[in-house]
Amino acid sequence: DIQMTQSPSSLSASVGDRVTITCRASQSISSYLNWYQQKPGKAPKLLIYAASSLQSGVPSRFSGSGSETDFTLTISSLQPEDFATYYCQQSYSLPRNSFGQGTKLEIK
Amino acid sequence: EVQLVESGGGLVQPGGSLRLSCAASGFTFSSYWMHWVRQAPGKGLVWVSRINGDGSSTSYADSVKGRFTISRDNAKNTLYLQMNSLRAEDTAVYYCAREVITAINNWFDPWGQGTLVTVSS
Repeated sequence: DIQMTQSPSSLSASVGDRVTITCRASQSISSYLNWYQQKPGKAPKLLIYAASSLQSGVPSRFSGSGSETDFTLTISSLQPEDFATYYCQQSYSLPRNSFGQGTKLEIK
Repeated sequence: EVQLVESGGGLVQPGGSLRLSCAASGFTFSSYWMHWVRQAPGKGLVWVSRINGDGSSTSYADSVKGRFTISRDNAKNTLYLQMNSLRAEDTAVYYCAREVITAINNWFDPWGQGTLVTVSS
């Protein structure tokens, strides 16, 4: 099974900061990588699919990059509404073990 | 508007049963694989089960295999999860999600709002 590892597990940042979250796959997954945002008490929301494609309606300050085993989610200028938990998901070999453990982005 | 709405969660004793429902609207339900994903309190997302469009193919996480059954009624645009022999470790918010499959990738979108299942005596 493919294992997804996110880093860091938590992150403190300030409004306006540039933030990068990393997701690493235990084997090559090409560009079969998605990113989700989850706010407390809410369902996950798709941000990025196919490693770098922005979902419709998602602000352009969010971007994704990477391929094979190493991927990043970047928020170019943090806004107050971006403080949430972020999950990566591999869809190369669904559905087992598809999600990373999450990265909680907190206000500094 | 594409929407998924779960229901059926609640408090159940260990060893008990519960059936979750997920009502779909705004899309051709029978054309999509559907999934259940759960999230224990304070924990991450864990995939539980999936079913194909006509209900002929299902799969389960090892942790629920033999106890949970996924099904769907395409005439009612509704997905189900029958949960039997419930354990304390099944306590979680359960989300249903639609799998979008394209030539370049697959992803889950949208997700329902979730329904809380609490297994406790």
